[in-house]
Amino acid sequence: EPEVTQTPSHQVTQMGQEVILRCVPISNHLYFYWYRQILGQKVEFLVSFYNNEISEKSEIFDDQFSVERPDGSNFTLKIRSTKLEDSAMYFCASNSGEYNEQFFGPGTRLTVL
Amino acid sequence: QKEVEQNSGPLSVPEGAIASLNCTYSDRGSQSFFWYRQYSGKSPELIMSIYSNGDKEDGRFTAQLNKASQYVSLLIRDSQPSDSATYLCAVANNAGNMLTFGGGTRLMVKP
Repeated sequence: EPEVTQTPSHQVTQMGQEVILRCVPISNHLYFYWYRQILGQKVEFLVSFYNNEISEKSEIFDDQFSVERPDGSNFTLKIRSTKLEDSAMYFCASNSGEYNEQFFGPGTRLTVL
Repeated sequence: QKEVEQNSGPLSVPEGAIASLNCTYSDRGSQSFFWYRQYSGKSPELIMSIYSNGDKEDGRFTAQLNKASQYVSLLIRDSQPSDSATYLCAVANNAGNMLTFGGGTRLMVKP
């Protein structure tokens, strides 16, 4: 069964450094998302992406964040200058567009020191 | 601010019993509702979606939706220890391009 994949599974970085989290959505899906989950807290929406454009973003998704679909398979989340409070699990999700069902990848655990 | 509320639990049920999980939401215009299962340290796994009032059954799972009461529920019949997890209720916005999650209910099924 097709699934969303994410790399790396765990990323450790120093405060102020840039990180890029990578995702490969399910191959025939058209809509892509990033969510995050701080330890012990709710899953929070960051951004949705369709047709090479951001279609929705939350207040969390400020100028430090950006997304890109650099080729036909990858979808990336960049954090330009990481803060301690960016430490969280980051989940990528994708949706075929037929329904609103979003399928999540395994996540990247980001630790900012 | 759109809210999705769930009792955090834990909800403890014996093996073989029915587990009943509940969720309320604030956005009356919401049209799409989802239940995800999340094991500790893992990602949310979609188990049910529901879009219209009433019941929707899939195997041991039944989702129930009451838009007038802004209420969604999930029933798990014949609960198994492997069902022990946190169950997340998620509601899509009108455009269907973002999900708002509840805090989850932790279910414990005791052998």
